[in-house]
Amino acid sequence: QVQLQQPGAELVKPGASVKLSCKASGYTFTSYWMHWVKQRPGQGLEWIGEINPSNGRTNYNEKFKSKATLTVDKSSSTAYMQLSSLTSEDSAVYYCARDSYDFDYWGQGTTLTVSS
Amino acid sequence: DIVMTQSHKFMSTSVGDRVSITCKASQDVSTAVAWYQQKPGQSPKLLIYSASYRYTGVPDRFTGSGSGTDFTFTISSVQAEDLAVYYCQQHYSTPPLTFGAGTKLELK
Repeated sequence: QVQLQQPGAELVKPGASVKLSCKASGYTFTSYWMHWVKQRPGQGLEWIGEINPSNGRTNYNEKFKSKATLTVDKSSSTAYMQLSSLTSEDSAVYYCARDSYDFDYWGQGTTLTVSS
Repeated sequence: DIVMTQSHKFMSTSVGDRVSITCKASQDVSTAVAWYQQKPGQSPKLLIYSASYRYTGVPDRFTGSGSGTDFTFTISSVQAEDLAVYYCQQHYSTPPLTFGAGTKLELK
């Protein structure tokens, strides 16, 4: 069965960077674009960007272009999102989601807390 | 960017009621609209894609309709487990892909 596995939580200090992971299983990783979505506490969903795992091509929300970098490791079927220069505004749940019939599978999300 | 407007942040309903949630796009998005359900502490779940197609395993009490700029998501007979936040999303013109702000379905 299709699964997208994400670590439950990350705690990082302001100004630091973090690399969030999303390990895919149960399907051919390179056949579907992977998306990343941000959700701040009590707020709605915000699209960060997408990556084509077969060739690494990316598209970003302009708002996150200087914040997020999407990559993949085809050998481990894992998608990554690096977030840089972290502030309290980056504290949120970050989801990865597979793009098939729209976002048909989602990871459980990683709760990122930026705090000293 | 295309703005997806869900005019009701909250909607009150009772079990067994018919309820409709609307979503308006700031420009024509054809039928490139999906609807998601999110319960507290859970990831969103895809219910409807391409405006009106029910995703695999989704109960038939959930329907979607619309094209162009106006879209409707309907639950024909609300069940207790349907109390959640519902989001519309467009992927007609990306980047960026955009979501509505969400509509929380609550019990009266």
